[in-house]
Amino acid sequence: DTGVSQNPRHKITKRGQNVTFRCDPISEHNRLYWYRQTLGQGPEFLTYFQNEAQLEKSRLLSDRFSAERPKGSFSTLEIQRTEQGDSAMYLCASSLGQAVNYGYTFGSGTRLTVV
Amino acid sequence: AQSVTQLGSHVSVSEGALVLLRCNYSSSVPPYLFWYVQYPNQGLQLLLKYTSAATLVKGINGFEAEFKKSETSFHLTKPSAHMSDAAEYFCAAVSGGYQKVTFGIGTKLQVIP
Repeated sequence: DTGVSQNPRHKITKRGQNVTFRCDPISEHNRLYWYRQTLGQGPEFLTYFQNEAQLEKSRLLSDRFSAERPKGSFSTLEIQRTEQGDSAMYLCASSLGQAVNYGYTFGSGTRLTVV
Repeated sequence: AQSVTQLGSHVSVSEGALVLLRCNYSSSVPPYLFWYVQYPNQGLQLLLKYTSAATLVKGINGFEAEFKKSETSFHLTKPSAHMSDAAEYFCAAVSGGYQKVTFGIGTKLQVIP
């Protein structure tokens, strides 16, 4: 296991279409996080899973966004009816335990462009 | 709410010169602090972390940071810049429920030959 894997690396979609991203964390990591990064900004927290339970969601996550982590393994982030403002880098991170002890391991991200 | 402020969105240094990237945090409770580096088109990589042990923290690639409570600062330094250090650096903090990391806006480091 070489790290956190995200697919696809790039996605271009038309406004109004639905998109889904996948994140495969490091296998023994029970905690998984989604962040969004726009140009000139640091990553912003979207949501957090501990095993299969989604424990926290940011207000940034509108009703068009949904995330799942079935069986506590990989996670998916779906955006419905995409808007141009959704264009960003979507980063996934995982952690063995609390972030204060272990930090995060980030994937390379999925860059979404909505045209 | 915990937040971090990075002073200077762009910093340029000559190769071999001292690197100093500034980060201040806001909190009445000592937070847990990190520095991450991001190379183009890549995810973030942990450079170092402060978790209330030693105030001077050594990280990878020759970087270190010093936690100064009196100044609420956690500045990142490296004695001698290398071309490969050119990247974007993010200061981050964890507090409260320890589940969420809050990032600064980042500082892009340019190393001039």
